[in-house]
Amino acid sequence: AQKVTQAQTEISVVEKEDVTLDCVYETRDTTYYLFWYKQPPSGELVFLIRRNSFDEQNEISGRYSWNFQKSTSSFNFTITASQVVDSAVYFCALSEATGDDKIIFGKGTRLHILP
Amino acid sequence: DTEVTQTPKHLVMGMTNKKSLKCEQHMGHRAMYWYKQKAKKPPELMFVYSYEKLSINESVPSRFSPECPNSSLLNLHLHALQPEDSALYLCASSQGKQGAHTQYFGPGTRLTVL
Repeated sequence: AQKVTQAQTEISVVEKEDVTLDCVYETRDTTYYLFWYKQPPSGELVFLIRRNSFDEQNEISGRYSWNFQKSTSSFNFTITASQVVDSAVYFCALSEATGDDKIIFGKGTRLHILP
Repeated sequence: DTEVTQTPKHLVMGMTNKKSLKCEQHMGHRAMYWYKQKAKKPPELMFVYSYEKLSINESVPSRFSPECPNSSLLNLHLHALQPEDSALYLCASSQGKQGAHTQYFGPGTRLTVL
């Protein structure tokens, strides 16, 4: 069965600090896809990144970076030099290539960036 | 352009009302989704349409009735809702319904049932 665990329910950091959001997943498939979405207070889920199971390269996009490690079934997300606008709920999600075409979301991590 | 639009943004309705939520995308996507999200919870899948046909119904009560008039439009018809149906309703679309495809979400409709 597929499962996504975001153990950090809520995190608060002071602006300009770096922060890492943890995501651990479970799947029996060898081909799967991992996602991060951001949900600001307005409510819209904003797609941030998709990573497939064959691509373990880490990715950096501006202040955002992602660390995918199959050995530990983790797909962590780091925000460098955090800003108040980064305050949001962040969801990690998983879908399987041979599954029932659903995305399984973690419970989300609520991130507060304090000015 | 990865825009999915939803109307209305906010909706307040009584338990005897009939209303509809609308969703539109012009990305040429062939799969569209309805999700329900309660406060401080992740989105829960309700329905999936693939090539304008209903492919997944997550045992949603019949007071929610989805409709896909064409590949760009998705409606959710609401009738005789209960106060516990108050939530954020999110629409999403993707190129296909397989897990490889990224789902892009609209801004949602905040529904309050009195």
